[in-house]
Amino acid sequence: QQQVKQSPQSLIVQKGGISIINCAYENTAFDYFPWYQQFPGKGPALLIAIRPDVSEKKEGRFTISFNKSAKQFSLHIMDSQPGDSATYFCAASNSAGGYQKVTFGTGTKLQVIP
Amino acid sequence: NAGVTQTPKFRILKIGQSMTLQCTQDMNHNYMYWYRQDPGMGLKLIYYSVGAGITDKGEVPNGYNVSRSTTEDFPLRLELAAPSQTSVYFCASSYLGVNEKLFFGSGTQLSVL
Repeated sequence: QQQVKQSPQSLIVQKGGISIINCAYENTAFDYFPWYQQFPGKGPALLIAIRPDVSEKKEGRFTISFNKSAKQFSLHIMDSQPGDSATYFCAASNSAGGYQKVTFGTGTKLQVIP
Repeated sequence: NAGVTQTPKFRILKIGQSMTLQCTQDMNHNYMYWYRQDPGMGLKLIYYSVGAGITDKGEVPNGYNVSRSTTEDFPLRLELAAPSQTSVYFCASSYLGVNEKLFFGSGTQLSVL
């Protein structure tokens, strides 16, 4: 019940195209949904996050869409650039228990080709 | 600010050897975490700490130990290294423990042969 399922495992997109990564969760107690971006040899870094009372959040070219009834959320990267090539992790956390219990998806390796 | 610093960056161990992965943060964060990252598996929580002197197990604690004597430092100890512990290890921290940004170090790549 704590799983976060992420797809696809890898994605190749042309420069200027839209990259879409999808995640689904089961635990309705999750109340915070961040996306992390990881470049090779580096640790993950927070990209954007959403709470379940909002259906969409946009920051620059990055948008999270959130469907609470379907228990799904997705990351859209508009006008994808070669510099966006990285591994993306969706995650979900549950504030119950007094600490940030974060469950990560398995990651999507994005390659943006010129 | 250096943020979260991990050492070493790479290490090769023989089966049965022990080692300590070091992690220090200079952001005065209360919460610190150790994750391991395996290909296609995402990040799994090994141990976490909510403050100096307080630690608790995560999802995959077997074969590891931690201590937290100061706010800044959170070392991870492998006592008897096994091939199953070959992984990339990340230390992370956050100021609050609830629903906020995790700051990650750059990782330690460990191979046990």
